[in-house]
Amino acid sequence: AQSVAQPEDQVNVAEGNPLTVKCTYSVSGNPYLFWYVQYPNRGLQFLLKYITGDNLVKGSYGFEAEFNKSQTSFHLKKPSALVSDSALYFCAVRDDSGNTPLVFGKGTRLSVIA
Amino acid sequence: KAGVTQTPRYLIKTRGQQVTLSCSPISGHRSVSWYQQTPGQGLQFLFEYFSETQRNKGNFPGRFSGRQFSNSRSEMNVSTLELGDSALYLCASSLVAANTGELFFGEGSRLTVL
Repeated sequence: AQSVAQPEDQVNVAEGNPLTVKCTYSVSGNPYLFWYVQYPNRGLQFLLKYITGDNLVKGSYGFEAEFNKSQTSFHLKKPSALVSDSALYFCAVRDDSGNTPLVFGKGTRLSVIA
Repeated sequence: KAGVTQTPRYLIKTRGQQVTLSCSPISGHRSVSWYQQTPGQGLQFLFEYFSETQRNKGNFPGRFSGRQFSNSRSEMNVSTLELGDSALYLCASSLVAANTGELFFGEGSRLTVL
């Protein structure tokens, strides 16, 4: 069965500093990897995805993520954090079989301090 | 293009009652997925429907059920409500099922069970 681990419940970073939100995954076969963001009292918004190709994926709002197959990781990064980036971030994975749902991690709350 | 619409947005029920939640996907999307979000467990997968057929089901008791109609609209039902069913229920749609595309989420239905 596929699964996602987000080892940090909370990440705090100062505005202007780089940020990293960690994600590791487990799937049979090849992974399709996604990052979503959730603002208070809202649904989830898609940030970026890795399907195949270049290991560095760029997405919305200046975010990027690096796929590392040997470490089964897909960490979310941003070079310079904004206060408005404060939100709940979810990593998700499905395998390439075409038969499995998208499985989410438990989420990491990012707090960017001015 | 209208997004995913979920109704009702908020509802309060008492233990033992039942509840029906509705989801209208983005026009043209044929796949609908449901997730339960709670602070301790993150997002947990409930069901996935495509063209009126349930493709996948998560690890929830039989009190949780769903269906999809010919116009792709979906409903989920929870019978004999328990306190632990209090959660944000999120619906998401996509063009096709279990593919490389991202899910588009509604803003959720927040259920409180007293």
